[in-house]
Amino acid sequence: DTGVSQDPRHKITKRGQNVTFRCDPISEHNRLYWYRQTLGQGPEFLTYFQNEAQLEKSRLLSDRFSAERPKGSFSTLEIQRTEQGDSAMYLCALTGAQGYTFGSGTRLTVV
Amino acid sequence: QKEVEQNSGPLSVPEGAIASLNCTYSDRGSQSFFWYRQYSGKSPELIMSIYSNGDKEDGRFTAQLNKASQYVSLLIRDSQPSDSATYLCAVSSGGYQKVTFGIGTKLQVIP
Repeated sequence: DTGVSQDPRHKITKRGQNVTFRCDPISEHNRLYWYRQTLGQGPEFLTYFQNEAQLEKSRLLSDRFSAERPKGSFSTLEIQRTEQGDSAMYLCALTGAQGYTFGSGTRLTVV
Repeated sequence: QKEVEQNSGPLSVPEGAIASLNCTYSDRGSQSFFWYRQYSGKSPELIMSIYSNGDKEDGRFTAQLNKASQYVSLLIRDSQPSDSATYLCAVSSGGYQKVTFGIGTKLQVIP
């Protein structure tokens, strides 16, 4: 149990479809981060929230991507009109005393 | 120049040997340094954090930091086959600033 639940674990979608991922912290955390990891690369920062406010977005987050954290607890990441290049592991992370705690991730495959 | 550089490996060591993993970073303002372990298909798991120059030991793991040389390393003593994984070096500017990851070094411990 990492303290962060992500759903779904795996998602296969056709190119052009929309997908939504969810991240649920088990306990209250002010800051919540989204990262993306492609094969053979380290995680890349996408965006983060301080409570419900989205404070920073990476240039990787094109206008097809949107993230929300409506009540400062769970967060969603939506990708519209998916492309094959969106295939990756999407990771949610919380800040802990010594660093990030990651959720188990959502692996997206766009076919 | 990438912000965090690691050799992708693989680094192969025999069981019982010391594995030495290295990382350099470009931002002199970096204050927090982390090592994560990632098993294939899983999310990263924090194993060490270090904030000041010198060595920090935790069990079989020792993290070393040299800010003047912008260099971080991880030593794994008495390597075990279960240590076979990708090791990600990560840095941040401290506090709650986002963390930047290297591509990771794949470690193989040969029985």
